[in-house]
Formats: sequence, C-alpha cells, structure tokens
Amino acid sequence: DVKVTQSSRYLVKRTGEKVFLECVQDMDHENMFWYRQDPGLGLRLIYFSYDVKMKEKGDIPEGYSVSREKKERFSLILESASTNQTSMYLCASRSSTDTQYFGPGTRLTVL
Amino acid sequence: QKEVEQNSGPLSVPEGAIASLNCTYSDRGSQSFFWYRQYSGKSPELIMSIYSNGDKEDGRFTAQLNKASQYVSLLIRDSQPSDSATYLCAVKKVGGTSYGKLTFGQGTILTVHP
Repeated sequence: DVKVTQSSRYLVKRTGEKVFLECVQDMDHENMFWYRQDPGLGLRLIYFSYDVKMKEKGDIPEGYSVSREKKERFSLILESASTNQTSMYLCASRSSTDTQYFGPGTRLTVL
Repeated sequence: QKEVEQNSGPLSVPEGAIASLNCTYSDRGSQSFFWYRQYSGKSPELIMSIYSNGDKEDGRFTAQLNKASQYVSLLIRDSQPSDSATYLCAVKKVGGTSYGKLTFGQGTILTVHP
C-alpha cells in the first residue's frame, strides 16, 4: 500500500512565523505535489517537484517555498505566515500509472 | 473561465438512483481525466481515470469522455449512502513540463439519502 504521511494534522501559528510542513512517501515516486484546499475553490497547486532538488511553481506559489533534498521527502515552507494562508494543505505523490496519492492533510490556522 | 468547472451542488439523489456528475474543461490539449472522491474530513482518493472518448465502466461507476465537447462525466449507478462525498474532477495536460500536474475542479458535493 502506498503511504503518504504529513508531519501534523493540525497546526496553529502566529502571523509572521516561519512554518514547515513535511511530507514523506514510501513508494519511490519521483513526482510530489503540494496543494491547498479551500471551500469553494477546490484544490490548488502550490508547488511540485519532479525529482530530487527539482521544483516548479504551481498556480499559487506566492508566499511559499519548497525543499526536496531526498526523494521521499517534500517540504513546504511558509516564510512568514499570514492569515490568508489559513487552509488545509495536502501533499501528494504520483505513481507511474498516473495516480496521485494524497496524505491525510494538515489544517493550518494562522492567528 | 475556469480551466476545470464543476457544478458545486449539492446534488441530492435517493438511494438506488443514478447520480450524474459533470465536468467541463477549457484546454483542448488536455489528454487525461480523473475522478477523485473525498469524504468529509478525509483526503481525495482516485476512483476512475479515462483517457479516450467513450465510456469506461468499473463496477457501479462509469466515466464518460467527450473531447469534442470538452466534458467528462461520472455516473454512479445504484447510489448508496456511502457514496455521499465530494467528487473532484481533475484534468492533466500531456507534454512539456507538466510532470503529471493536475488541474482540479472545485468539486461536486453528492448526498445520497435513504
């Protein structure tokens, strides 16, 4: 079974804090993705990585950065958290059969 | 115009009925189409993928694709209360540096009532 894990289910941070969200997959997938999900807006792609140390911006990269130092781990960084970054964050990895497997999500609240 | 559009619903159907979920997309270069199901408080999971025009059946689920009209639909036969969830349509372009990048619709909430 493919497993994608995320470091926290719930996180509360203050405005201006640096926030790290971590994602780990155990299936040796090359492609990994970070999305945020907001009511009425669906899933929006923030960043994706197609290989170790390789990354590309998604549709809403502003205010975020990412790191992929190892194949199994993809981190999302909020350099200075703001209240409009309060959201559900979902990580996914993509198999060779084109299935994206999602982690359980991190609900981030920025106060 | 949004790249992928779905009616957000909620769509309410009685148990045993056919639920029909629709999705339109704007980019004619799209080649691969997916339906994900997301239960409340859970993450999305893939239920169907379709790549060529026509119908694809998997148990009670049928995906339909019409590239000329740029729509893809999901039919759920004999709907059960356990089918109540949000259904996300996703579209993938092929080529370039897409690397399997998906564009999702906003999702349709389906409620199956006993």
